[in-house]
Amino acid sequence: DVKVTQSSRYLVKRTGEKVFLECVQDMDHENMFWYRQDPGLGLRLIYFSYDVKMKEKGDIPEGYSVSREKKERFSLILESASTNQTSMYLCASRLAGGPEETQYFGPGTRLLVL
Amino acid sequence: AQSVTQLDSQVPVFEEAPVELRCNYSSSVSVYLFWYVQYPNQGLQLLLKYLSGSTLVKGINGFEAEFNKSQTSFHLRKPSVHISDTAEYFCAVRQEGGSEKLVFGKGTKLTVNP
Repeated sequence: DVKVTQSSRYLVKRTGEKVFLECVQDMDHENMFWYRQDPGLGLRLIYFSYDVKMKEKGDIPEGYSVSREKKERFSLILESASTNQTSMYLCASRLAGGPEETQYFGPGTRLLVL
Repeated sequence: AQSVTQLDSQVPVFEEAPVELRCNYSSSVSVYLFWYVQYPNQGLQLLLKYLSGSTLVKGINGFEAEFNKSQTSFHLRKPSVHISDTAEYFCAVRQEGGSEKLVFGKGTKLTVNP
């Protein structure tokens, strides 16, 4: 079974703190993604990576950066957390290949910025 | 660019009743179509996908969806729902032969009442 794990289920941080959200997948997937999920807005793509050290901006990259130093790990970084970054963050991974390849999601990290 | 509209944000139904969750998409190119389900406090799980071929697609847990190209729709159906189907359902599209990016709708919250 594909497993995508996220380092924390719940996180509380203060405004201005630097926040790291970690995601690890165990299936040697090339592609990894970070989404933000907000009520009534669905999932919005923040960043994705198609290989180690490669990244592309998604729809809402402002205020975020990412790091992919190893194939299995994709980190989302909030350089200076703000209250409007309070949200659910979902990581996903997918094998590069044909359209039949499924995108698998982690359980999510619910971040509260005070 | 693609976009996805889920026409109902909330759908309440009684147990054993049929249900249809509606999804329309907009795209200037051919797309692949997906339905994901999110149970409370969990990540997203793939229910079914349309890549090509038969327009009626069967998925897990008794769900099915029909791709209608002329109406640009991909509605999800189940003939008889259970309490355990209570969850949020997301429709998503990905451009055929293009980006890895999935574009999600805003979600439909299905509540199955006894």
